[in-house]
Amino acid sequence: NAGVTQTPKFQVLKTGQSMTLQCAQDMNHNSMYWYRQDPGMGLRLIYYSASEGTTDKGEVPNGYNVSRLNKREFSLRLESAAPSQTSVYFCASRIYSGNTIYFGEGSWLTVV
Amino acid sequence: ELKVEQNPLFLSMQEGKNYTIYCNYSTTSDRLYWYRQDPGKSLESLFVLLSNGAVKQEGRLMASLDTKARLSTLHITAAVHDLSATYFCAVDRSGGKFQFGAGTQVVVTP
Repeated sequence: NAGVTQTPKFQVLKTGQSMTLQCAQDMNHNSMYWYRQDPGMGLRLIYYSASEGTTDKGEVPNGYNVSRLNKREFSLRLESAAPSQTSVYFCASRIYSGNTIYFGEGSWLTVV
Repeated sequence: ELKVEQNPLFLSMQEGKNYTIYCNYSTTSDRLYWYRQDPGKSLESLFVLLSNGAVKQEGRLMASLDTKARLSTLHITAAVHDLSATYFCAVDRSGGKFQFGAGTQVVVTP
């Protein structure tokens, strides 16, 4: 019963390095999301994909790119990491609007 | 721009007493969600409220939605230590976006 799986769970990057956070869901959900969580700021939407083949910007998309590889997978790429991108990243999915979203376990990213 | 505001942001509760967390949002929506997050953990869905006047209850937690006032409340009855966590409300935006409040950190003490 995997649900939403994120990798890696922990990562330390140097400023300027690139990396991709991977997310996969096995619930046949249509919509997928990437959020970042910073202390005192709740969760802020980076990008989302309402359905396979579509992606849209959220509140804080700058410095990130996404790929909805297929219905199951939605990856988040940091092209040139900055210390301001130090955060906890959550991937989430839901079957469609009006339903709750289900979260992965989170990825702790530190940029030094 | 949709704003989702929770208050209070921090709530110190005494065991056995009742408390309420408020969630205000700035645009029309009839879908509101409550989540719980324990430290270092992911978010767990508590309630889905999909219409004006909706009320959901689970154990010591009860959530309600007033879409006309753009207000949802999470009421905690007879607080116990196990309810210590951070509680988030979230609102559906058009096109599938899903926006969260800043969260209310709850600490329950004897």
